[in-house]
This record gives sequence, C-alpha cells and structure tokens, in this order.
Amino acid sequence: SQQGEEDPQALSIQEGENATMNCSYKTSINNLQWYRQNSGRGLVHLILIRSNEREKHSGRLRVTLDTSKKSSSLLITASRAADTASYFCATDAFGNTGKLIFGQGTTLQVKP
Amino acid sequence: NAGVMQNPRHLVRRRGQEARLRCSPMKGHSHVYWYRQLPEEGLKFMVYLQKENIIDESGMPKERFSAEFPKEGPSILRIQQVVRGDSAAYFCASSPQGSSGANVLTFGAGSRLTVL
Repeated sequence: SQQGEEDPQALSIQEGENATMNCSYKTSINNLQWYRQNSGRGLVHLILIRSNEREKHSGRLRVTLDTSKKSSSLLITASRAADTASYFCATDAFGNTGKLIFGQGTTLQVKP
Repeated sequence: NAGVMQNPRHLVRRRGQEARLRCSPMKGHSHVYWYRQLPEEGLKFMVYLQKENIIDESGMPKERFSAEFPKEGPSILRIQQVVRGDSAAYFCASSPQGSSGANVLTFGAGSRLTVL
C-alpha cells in the first residue's frame, strides 16, 4: 500500500511566493524525510524530521510533522526559479534501515 | 569525493536481453540500496545490500531480477530477459556504516533503462 501520499500533485507559483506541499502516510514512522529531484536527475536530501519532533527549519525550508494526523508539510519561503523541481516525502518505518517509502511527489514550478 | 556513481546513465535493450546496472557507493559508505522509479511516480524500494550480503530484498520481483554487492567492485543490479514493463529509472543510493538514528541516503543520478 502506498505510504506517502502528496498533494498537490503540481504547483505553479511566482518567484518570491511561498510554496507549501503536504504529505500523508499510513503507518508509524521513525522519521520522515524530504527529497528534491530535478528533471532527469537523482534525488537530493533536503531535511529529516524525527517522529518526536514537530517542526524543523533549514534555510528557507520549514518542515512540520503531525504524528497524530500522520501528515507532514514542507514550506519553501521566498521561492526562486531554481527551486523548480519535484519534491518527495519519504518515510522510514522500519527502524532506520534505509528502506524508505516515497510518495508520488509534488512538481513545483516557480515562474521568474 | 565523487558521490554515488552509476553507469550506464542510459541503456537500451530489446525484449529478452539482459540489463546490468552498476553502482559505486560514496566513499566510506558500505550500505547500498536500489530503487526503481516508473514514469510520473515516486521511487520504490527494491533491495538493500551490504558487502557480500543481501539484507532486505523484499522489493525485488521474484523472477529475472538479482542484485549483488561483492567484496571488491561495484554493486550490480541484473535484469534478465527484460520486458517493456522494466523500462524505468533505476537509482542507487548509499549510506555510511553504522549510521545510527536515521538513514539519510545519498543518491546517484540513475540509470535509465528503455526496453524496445
């Protein structure tokens, strides 16, 4: 069964605006991670939030985690054209094994 | 530090042929993972290996697919008698040994397999 469900599937905004992406999952997790993928490239790790954390910041990124609702959100503030990419949440439900369950991703387009 | 190296980047095979995908993990990493990404989808876990050991292959199809990570050399994902449904991007990732607390994966750029 699909662990990570993301919405929206696609998001188009103007440079300078904020982008919010949401992720829902089904089982208990150890941690949740967000990755970015530029077209035709591999994934790049952005940020990790543990199950006992509620919010985390890294530069222009803010991640929240609500384990009671089994959901997470990724906020990118003051977006730039270079932020255009697909963003995936991934849950680690198996005890830090590296066996991550990925969502289908949100495709973000930031227009200059 | 060259990161995770995968080759070939693009591979075209006809139905029934074999595909071999190679992955050299990041220097200092001894855990290797293979994921598959179908068009417009997220990544799906296939297999987790350490040197000379398959730790978890629960995501591997039972037939035609195999993976190894020998003592010397890269990890190999082998697909025998390929079919059109095998067309996908195959990503390798690695992580350090004994990474306690959480596993953050470093991904390669992927190998894109097209089956004609």
